[in-house]
Amino acid sequence: DSGVTQTPKHLITATGQRVTLRCSPRSGDLSVYWYQQSLDQGLQFLIQYYNGEERAKGNILERFSAQQFPDLHSELNLSSLELGDSALYFCASSVYDQTYNEQFFGPGTRLTVL
Amino acid sequence: DQQVKQNSPSLSVQEGRISILNCDYTNSMFDYFLWYKKYPAEGPTFLISISSIKDKNEDGRFTVFLNKSAKHLSLHIVPSQPGDSAVYFCAASGYSGAGSYQLTFGKGTKLSVIP
Repeated sequence: DSGVTQTPKHLITATGQRVTLRCSPRSGDLSVYWYQQSLDQGLQFLIQYYNGEERAKGNILERFSAQQFPDLHSELNLSSLELGDSALYFCASSVYDQTYNEQFFGPGTRLTVL
Repeated sequence: DQQVKQNSPSLSVQEGRISILNCDYTNSMFDYFLWYKKYPAEGPTFLISISSIKDKNEDGRFTVFLNKSAKHLSLHIVPSQPGDSAVYFCAASGYSGAGSYQLTFGKGTKLSVIP
């Protein structure tokens, strides 16, 4: 158990809908990262928050947004969903924002868009 | 453009033998490299890492080698055990601007250790 929790574990929805994925980082970790893993793909970095502020953006679509709240939990919002958004979404956390920081991953949320 | 490449999608090894997983990168600005292991229905877990100032790092049965001139790293598992069967991701860390560091992952190699 990494100490990172993600809810829900599974989510099935229809095209055009909006969903929210939730992540609670390990106690004491200030950085939260979101990744997408599509079929046969590696982990694609989406976005990072550090202590409530957006720190870095990766391959995140404009239909997707995220935020980190004062208690450091984070939410990833996906809107106008398309079939291609079906994927595993992982959240990770780390103490700081440094190159030598190991990231701890949650178990993921499997999103299926029908 | 894939900056971190794991060219072998899968690898099968007999129990007790050596497993060698390879990873190539293109961005010379990467300065820290990590290997993560992932079991089905779980998130990736950190396995071992290496700084660009070193060429080898060992942790028990796991050793990572870094060849900076070739932009290549490898993970050696000796001896391989059935419990090592998992997907292994290579990741590289580099500065991404605004005081932030980002991990770039390869697509993973599925290791099967045959009893």
